[in-house]
Amino acid sequence: GQNIDQPTEMTATEGAIVQINCTYQTSGFNGLFWYQQHAGEAPTFLSYNVLDGLEEKGRFSSFLSRSKGYSYLLLKELQMKDSASYLCAVRGSTNTGFQKLVFGTGTRLLVSP
Amino acid sequence: ETGVTQTPRHLVMGMTNKKSLKCEQHLGHNAMYWYKQSAKKPLELMFVYSLEERVENNSVPSRFSPECPNSSHLFLHLHTLQPEDSALYLCASSQDVGHLPNEQYFGPGTRLTVT
Repeated sequence: GQNIDQPTEMTATEGAIVQINCTYQTSGFNGLFWYQQHAGEAPTFLSYNVLDGLEEKGRFSSFLSRSKGYSYLLLKELQMKDSASYLCAVRGSTNTGFQKLVFGTGTRLLVSP
Repeated sequence: ETGVTQTPRHLVMGMTNKKSLKCEQHLGHNAMYWYKQSAKKPLELMFVYSLEERVENNSVPSRFSPECPNSSHLFLHLHTLQPEDSALYLCASSQDVGHLPNEQYFGPGTRLTVT
């Protein structure tokens, strides 16, 4: 089966750095995605990791350790607009061989002034 | 229009009604998806279409019936729903189902309430 865990909620201050962790168990791992979802809006793609290590994209970075089944999303220089839910999703195989995304429940981040 | 659009944005229906949700993607993608997002639950994949052919059906009750007339349009036909079907229904598209990384682009969703 496939299982993804991430914290339900986090709070941080404007200008700070926050790390959102995600642990997973899956069969046929084929990449990990992070999405951002503002309340009432569509999830938007942030990052993709398939090899171990850090991927940096502006203020956002994502890290993956396949041996530990672990990823984190690092947000630097937090802004109020970063208040949103952050969804961790793992791409793995179903028993039909189809590669599908399995999502975590999301981490709601609240950035305060 | 750009990206992925969905209509209607909000829908209230009774348990005996029949309604349809519509999704359209303007990205030239070959794969389209329906997801269900309930409060405090992960996004659940319902259906996947690749080049108008259904490639995955995630044990979804038959009261949900998808239709993909072409690679740009996807429908979800709803019939005799239950109150527990109330949720946000999200449509997504991607280049195809196998190409990596194959990130999915989501529409804004239809907020469905079944009374």
